[in-house]
Amino acid sequence: KAGVTQTPRYLIKTRGQQVTLSCSPISGHRSVSWYQQTPGQGLQFLFEYFSETQRNKGNFPGRFSGRQFSNSRSEMNVSTLELGDSALYLCASSVRTVNTEAFFGQGTRLTVV
Amino acid sequence: GESVGLHLPTLSVQEGDNSIINCAYSNSASDYFIWYKQESGKGPQFIIDIRSNMDKRQGQRVTVLLNKTVKHLSLQIAATQPGDSAVYFCAENAGGTSYGKLTFGQGTILTVHP
Repeated sequence: KAGVTQTPRYLIKTRGQQVTLSCSPISGHRSVSWYQQTPGQGLQFLFEYFSETQRNKGNFPGRFSGRQFSNSRSEMNVSTLELGDSALYLCASSVRTVNTEAFFGQGTRLTVV
Repeated sequence: GESVGLHLPTLSVQEGDNSIINCAYSNSASDYFIWYKQESGKGPQFIIDIRSNMDKRQGQRVTVLLNKTVKHLSLQIAATQPGDSAVYFCAENAGGTSYGKLTFGQGTILTVHP
């Protein structure tokens, strides 16, 4: 079956702009989590959605937001982009929220200039 | 100023050797642990998981050991192959209200020489 799909794969944005990233989970998976990966901080949890509800949020400013649709697809939005937001944004899906395998997509590489 | 990147531990082995990658986790309440492999340009790929009520679990060519006393996790790869070269991450989940949240270690770079 198809894996986790993230679009777009690459993005270049200018400081101050906003961006929306998309994630389509594996069919049947209702939990979607987002992570930011940078060389300086490693992999950091952003937030997690289950059945269209945000269940948990990491330590990121309010410029980072997300949502989940009834078909479990998820989007994350970053407003007022800063240079430090340049990162690989990864989405992971799982059947339920805890103690289950989380499968990652290939990520969206965001570059802020 | 310029950010300083994480200095990842590295492990260099010869093809056919066994590899052991170690991870110290932080939360004694964590009850689920996963090892991921990440190749360049790809997202993390699930390798094996273990629950806190176990101390060992085996998969194909991989074994995970969990020592809750010292909060230590290890991944053993048997007969390491060049295709195993990647960055390996351990991750923990505390369960309870930590819905879907995995806390990742810094990663270890494994290089396998033919």
